[in-house]
Amino acid sequence: ETGVTQTPRHLVMGMTNKKSLKCEQHLGHNAMYWYKQSAKKPLELMFVYSLEERVENNSVPSRFSPECPNSSHLFLHLHTLQPEDSALYLCASSQYTGTGNNEKLFFGSGTQLSVL
Amino acid sequence: AQKITQTQPGMFVQEKEAVTLDCTYDTSDPSYGLFWYKQPSSGEMIFLIYQGSYDQQNATEGRYSLNFQKARKSANLVISASQLGDSAMYFCAMREGRGNNRLAFGKGNQVVVIP
Repeated sequence: ETGVTQTPRHLVMGMTNKKSLKCEQHLGHNAMYWYKQSAKKPLELMFVYSLEERVENNSVPSRFSPECPNSSHLFLHLHTLQPEDSALYLCASSQYTGTGNNEKLFFGSGTQLSVL
Repeated sequence: AQKITQTQPGMFVQEKEAVTLDCTYDTSDPSYGLFWYKQPSSGEMIFLIYQGSYDQQNATEGRYSLNFQKARKSANLVISASQLGDSAMYFCAMREGRGNNRLAFGKGNQVVVIP
């Protein structure tokens, strides 16, 4: 079983739909992340959860709503999205110590989202 | 302001040749970490190599090595003996300070290895 699993792999939704992206990590990590990857742009950090507490919300519109019920699971709830929200959404996890700068992120394969 | 700059256009590399991917960064923090990730067409970002700002030697991991030039703020990735499976996007990333959750990425370099 891969370390970080994301479902679904592909999602097409209309602007009025409500959907959720799911991420699960099997690495025993204590921090989870959502990144957005758009064409020709750097990865954008959206949310960070450390020990199940949201520690960063990078000015993301409220139509994106994260949820972290436990240290192994992370969701991204989507509602009334816009076409410009179409992108690859990547989940990652890490073992956050709070003292170093060498902590690696382990990524899932992402959910390719298309908003029509 | 962009913290990580990767400006090379897409690159074609002959199999078994070496390739160097450029990365420059911007920070005023004396403590930072630099990372390279590989993203094949499957989408998953795969960690390749790490270099700490206080590390005295350039990092190496198998066929990957990092040419760290601190004064120039550059952290170029060298892939030796390219293989067809090396075809992917390559991203440079930086974490500033200590205990920082934020990993900032560059726009990436596209590498295609040809037989």
